[in-house]
Amino acid sequence: DTGVSQDPRHKITKRGQNVTFRCDPISEHNRLYWYRQTLGQGPEFLTYFQNEAQLEKSRLLSDRFSAERPKGSFSTLEIQRTEQGDSAMYLCASIGQGADIQYFGAGTRLSVL
Amino acid sequence: DAKTTQPTSMDCAEGRAANLPCNHSTISGNEYVYWYRQIHSQGPQYIIHGLKNNETNEMASLIITEDRKSSTLILPHATLRDTAVYYCIVVPNTGNQFYFGTGTSLTVIP
Repeated sequence: DTGVSQDPRHKITKRGQNVTFRCDPISEHNRLYWYRQTLGQGPEFLTYFQNEAQLEKSRLLSDRFSAERPKGSFSTLEIQRTEQGDSAMYLCASIGQGADIQYFGAGTRLSVL
Repeated sequence: DAKTTQPTSMDCAEGRAANLPCNHSTISGNEYVYWYRQIHSQGPQYIIHGLKNNETNEMASLIITEDRKSSTLILPHATLRDTAVYYCIVVPNTGNQFYFGTGTSLTVIP
C-alpha cells in the first residue's frame, strides 16, 4: 500500500492555458474521486469513477473540466482555458470494493496567474 | 446527505483530551458518521467512523448519541501534531462521495 499519489504537487500556469493532473489510486481500488478545495473551505466533490466508468459529476465540473480513467487505474483531470477562479487544491481519493474508508492523496495545488 | 454543524474553532491544552462536537440532527437511519482531519497543505486523513455504536481506534474515540443526532470525537491526549481542521461528515453508505463542511480548526496549545 503506497497510498494515493498525485502529480504534480504544485502547478503554476497562466490564464488561458490548459493543465492536466494525474492521480494514481491505491492498487486495486475500484472507486476514485476528485475534489476541489479553495482556501478556508472544505473539499468539494467534483466527480467519481467506478473502474473506468464516470458515474457522477458535480455541477462544479464545468465544460472546461474533463476527467478520465481509461483503464480503471490512474485518472487524469484536465482543465482547459484556465481561469483565476480555478486556483485551488485538487484532491484525489480512492476506496476499494466493499471497503469503507476513502484514502486521500496530498493534492495538486494549482495557481492561475 | 445530512448536513453537519461544527464549531468553527477550538483550543486544547497539550496532553489534555480534545472533545470535538458535531451536530447532525437530520441524519437518517442508514447514514454513517465519518471524521477526517486535514493538516495544513496535506490531504484529508481518515480518523474514525461509526453508524450507531461508539467506536475506538488507536487515534480517537467516537461517541454517537442514542438518537444519533450528534456525535463527539475524542482525542484522548492531544499533542501539537493534532493541530488541524477536523471534519465531521455524514454519508448514506460507505462508498459515497463526501460533502465536507468547513470543519473545526483545532489548535493544541503547549
